[in-house]
Amino acid sequence: LAKTTQPISMDSYEGQEVNITCSHNNIATNDYITWYQQFPSQGPRFIIQGYKTKVTNEVASLFIPADRKSSTLSLPRVSLSDTAVYYCLVGGNRDDKIIFGKGTRLHILP
Amino acid sequence: GAVVSQHPSWVICKSGTSVKIECRSLDFQATTMFWYRQFPKQSLMLMATSNEGSKATYEQGVEKDKFLINHASLTLSTLTVTSAHPEDSSFYICSARDLNRREGYEQYFGPGTRLTVT
Repeated sequence: LAKTTQPISMDSYEGQEVNITCSHNNIATNDYITWYQQFPSQGPRFIIQGYKTKVTNEVASLFIPADRKSSTLSLPRVSLSDTAVYYCLVGGNRDDKIIFGKGTRLHILP
Repeated sequence: GAVVSQHPSWVICKSGTSVKIECRSLDFQATTMFWYRQFPKQSLMLMATSNEGSKATYEQGVEKDKFLINHASLTLSTLTVTSAHPEDSSFYICSARDLNRREGYEQYFGPGTRLTVT
């Protein structure tokens, strides 16, 4: 399983766009990149998954450069309710167990 | 989307007793489920992989005789914390893979169970 590195914490303000970058230098050819969001005392919630280039859904965008050694989760126009911990995970095999890193604690200020 | 439930959502038990936590995939089948433990302000720590119809695979440092896992069907896995002690107090989270998902990989997480041992 590829190891991931992301900032421990970030602060931003309501209405801003927030970008969280994750490094995964040892990503394998068949690995996908997945981001999860977790609120206190809740299970992680799937945000977005991608393999290459750009993926967008109703919640976020995921940018993956050509070398795939990093990825950036983009949250448009954040609100206070986006305050949470965000985890970047890399893996590809359907039987892969997910090992969580430390995640990024995002704090949105009014 | 796929839903995973856990029961109970919280439980308080006395030291020395056993507690069973259920994890169910509600609208999909999962041959593999995972159990995590999370302490305050920390990340999720994988405890074990639960395989339907076979023995669970435990991560290093996790006592298999203390944390009993049973995956009796494609939609249910249970975690039993035996002879619980205060240091077992934690947030336990399960996740499940969709058997029929063909691309990428994704785990669906339950809402978690807060265990407090007094």
